[in-house]
Amino acid sequence: EPEVTQTPSHQVTQMGQEVILRCVPISNHLYFYWYRQILGQKVEFLVSFYNNEISEKSEIFDDQFSVERPDGSNFTLKIRSTKLEDSAMYFCASTYPSGGSTDTQYFGPGTRLTVL
Amino acid sequence: GQSLEQPSEVTAVEGAIVQINCTYQTSGFYGLSWYQQHDGGAPTFLSYNGLDGLEETGRFSSFLSRSDSYGYLLLQELQMKDSASYFCAVPSRDMRFGAGTRLTVKP
Repeated sequence: EPEVTQTPSHQVTQMGQEVILRCVPISNHLYFYWYRQILGQKVEFLVSFYNNEISEKSEIFDDQFSVERPDGSNFTLKIRSTKLEDSAMYFCASTYPSGGSTDTQYFGPGTRLTVL
Repeated sequence: GQSLEQPSEVTAVEGAIVQINCTYQTSGFYGLSWYQQHDGGAPTFLSYNGLDGLEETGRFSSFLSRSDSYGYLLLQELQMKDSASYFCAVPSRDMRFGAGTRLTVKP
């Protein structure tokens, strides 16, 4: 069964450094998403991406964040200058739209980001 | 804005039935989804209600009442492996999740 993959599984970085989290969505999916989950808290929407541009973004997704689909398979989240509070699990998800906003999202296993 | 409210935790015994409620306030409502997340794992889709009423999938059922802005997830014949967090969510291009209900199943 096709699945969303993410690399690395765990990233440790120093405060102020840039990180790039990578995702490979399911191959025929068209919408891509990034979510964040701080330990013990709820899953928070960051951004959705469709047709090579951001579709929606939350208040969390400020100028420090950017997303890119550099080729036909990868979808990346870049955090330009990491802060301690960016430490969280980051999930990528994708969906194949069937015509509404009701499509099931398939989540990757997540990247645990630790900012020291 | 959007908000979804659900209980923070529920405890039940194996074999029992448990109901996890979710009330929501949201614009542009299309339906209500439920996701399961085991500790350290990713959310996985359980069910979706686009219309009022009950949707049944094996041991799990989900219900929606649009007029009451309310839904619930019903888990029957609880098993130890059902211990997880359960999130209601409003699916959209900026999908919002509830804070999650941590279900603990005891022997």
